[in-house]
Amino acid sequence: AQSVTQLDSQVPVFEEAPVELRCNYSSSVSVYLFWYVQYPNQGLQLLLKYLSGSTLVKGINGFEAEFNKSQTSFHLRKPSVHISDTAEYFCAVIDSGGYQKVTFGIGTKLQVIP
Amino acid sequence: GAVVSQHPSWVICKSGTSVKIECRSLDFQATTMFWYRQFPKQSLMLMATSNEGSKATYEQGVEKDKFLINHASLTLSTLTVTSAHPEDSSFYICSARVGGGSQPQHFGDGTRLSIL
Repeated sequence: AQSVTQLDSQVPVFEEAPVELRCNYSSSVSVYLFWYVQYPNQGLQLLLKYLSGSTLVKGINGFEAEFNKSQTSFHLRKPSVHISDTAEYFCAVIDSGGYQKVTFGIGTKLQVIP
Repeated sequence: GAVVSQHPSWVICKSGTSVKIECRSLDFQATTMFWYRQFPKQSLMLMATSNEGSKATYEQGVEKDKFLINHASLTLSTLTVTSAHPEDSSFYICSARVGGGSQPQHFGDGTRLSIL
């Protein structure tokens, strides 16, 4: 079984400040890792993904994430946030084996304060 | 590219009514489609996974007779909530994927279902 923990349910941050949204996972097999963003009353949009290779992954809208196998983490970062980044962010894990079931974290609400 | 259209976006209906939600991949052929349910301020709960032409695989605790899923083509999947009751009110989201789990899922904008 696999699980995803997003440690912060809400993260308030001032505009143009840096932000880190934390994600930890557990799995008995190798996994693929994803970050999605959800704006109000909308579906999810892919920000970035880690499959293999370089542990630092760059995504859309200036976001990046670093895969840390020893700490089983995949934290999302942005050096300078904008008002438009206010949204819900979900970390997701998919086992790379046969079943490939996806598990989402509970989400982190990023509130950018002007 | 990779656009998924979900319709309707919002539906309000009386208790006992059956409601059909459509999920279409507009510019690609989806190997697999997923249906999720999202409660307020919570994460997505996977309800079922479906592959074109075969029966959907339902997650534990999801009533297959209550939530009927049809995946008739590589671009269309439907979820029918049969005899809906107020406890079925929720935000339902579909997603579509080409290939295996290393490929991202592309999400529709969701359907807000309100049962009176």
